[in-house]
Amino acid sequence: GAVVSQHPSRVICKSGTSVKIECRSLDFQATTMFWYRQFPKQSLMLMATSNEGSKATYEQGVEKDKFLINHASLTLSTLTVTSAHPEDSSFYICSALEGTGGNTEAFFGQGTRLTVV
Amino acid sequence: DAKTTQPPSMDCAEGRAANLPCNHSTISGNEYVYWYRQIHSQGPQYIIHGLKNNETNEMASLIITEDRKSSTLILPHATLRDTAVYYCIVRVDQGAQKLVFGQGTRLTINP
Repeated sequence: GAVVSQHPSRVICKSGTSVKIECRSLDFQATTMFWYRQFPKQSLMLMATSNEGSKATYEQGVEKDKFLINHASLTLSTLTVTSAHPEDSSFYICSALEGTGGNTEAFFGQGTRLTVV
Repeated sequence: DAKTTQPPSMDCAEGRAANLPCNHSTISGNEYVYWYRQIHSQGPQYIIHGLKNNETNEMASLIITEDRKSSTLILPHATLRDTAVYYCIVRVDQGAQKLVFGQGTRLTINP
């Protein structure tokens, strides 16, 4: 299957700083990518849909000014957690859609574990 | 919101078939049933998907009832590496339809 790579896999940052997480589709172009957040022992929660060349669509309750998403190319989307606080500590996962029309498949990155201290 | 209901946990003996049920009673005619799994601290992995016919691939089989209100994922010969959380998702298979995850089933394969 297709490969989606996230970087970094693990990051620790100080409270008040910003952290950027990258999501790359390595062997296909992805017009659409998704960002999820997962707290311990919970399911994945969709944060936003990232569309190449346009603004991201955020799910209800997700602050767009805190979680900045940029999808500048067909192979790269970035999530920046601004002014991070300890409650932002979580496992962040991206997903990229491969294919078009009636045959699309979602591939996931390996996740980024963010710890804010 | 997720449109599926799954048991929170299941156990299965190694080497046996693991049968994971999923209820999706409000599924629409153009919605597919997808199965993903997540091994601890990793991103979800695609397993299989189907519309109304039963499907099989190298990982698993998917049995969908005739009324499409429920389905079962079958891992024919479970191994310890199949221990994971399994998610059943319904999704329209076109365009940029997002995947909304429910709580999934935590499957534990016991030696």
